[in-house]
Amino acid sequence: EPEVTQTPSHQVTQMGQEVILRCVPISNHLYFYWYRQILGQKVEFLVSFYNNEISEKSEIFDDQFSVERPDGSNFTLKIRSTKLEDSAMYFCASSDTNSPLHFGNGTRLTVT
Amino acid sequence: RKEVEQDPGPFNVPEGATVAFNCTYSNSASQSFFWYRQDCRKEPKLLMSVYSSGNEDGRFTAQLNRASQYISLLIRDSKLSDSATYLCVVNNNAGNMLTFGGGTRLMVKP
Repeated sequence: EPEVTQTPSHQVTQMGQEVILRCVPISNHLYFYWYRQILGQKVEFLVSFYNNEISEKSEIFDDQFSVERPDGSNFTLKIRSTKLEDSAMYFCASSDTNSPLHFGNGTRLTVT
Repeated sequence: RKEVEQDPGPFNVPEGATVAFNCTYSNSASQSFFWYRQDCRKEPKLLMSVYSSGNEDGRFTAQLNRASQYISLLIRDSKLSDSATYLCVVNNNAGNMLTFGGGTRLMVKP
């Protein structure tokens, strides 16, 4: 079964540093997403991406965040200047039209 | 009021038991509904979509009550491997911006 893959599985960074989280969505999917889950809390929507542009974003997705699909396969989330409260699991997901989301195995981001 | 609300549990049940979880949602315009399963420190995995007429997939039955704005999941003949957190998930718009509940933790004991 096709999978969404994410790298790295764990990223440790210092406060104020930039990080890029990478995702390879399922190949024939057209919609891409980033969600995050702070330890012990619920999964929260960050952003959705379709046709090379952001289609929706939440209040969490402020100017420090950006997404990009630099080529035909990768989908990245950049956090420009990390804060302690950005520490969380970040899940990438993809879907086809009107299909449920398939999540990647996540990147655990630890900001020290 | 939380958008999607679930009893966090944990529900501790013996193998073979039947267990039911409920979930309520606040947005009456919500369009689609799902149950996802999440193991500790893993990604959410789709368990089943929830249809208006109710639907069953093996030991799992999902029901939707739009009038009361709640969704249920019934697990029959619980297995040890069913131990996980069950996430109630609602799609509030035409896109795929999902709103997750906080999850209900199930522990199935031998």
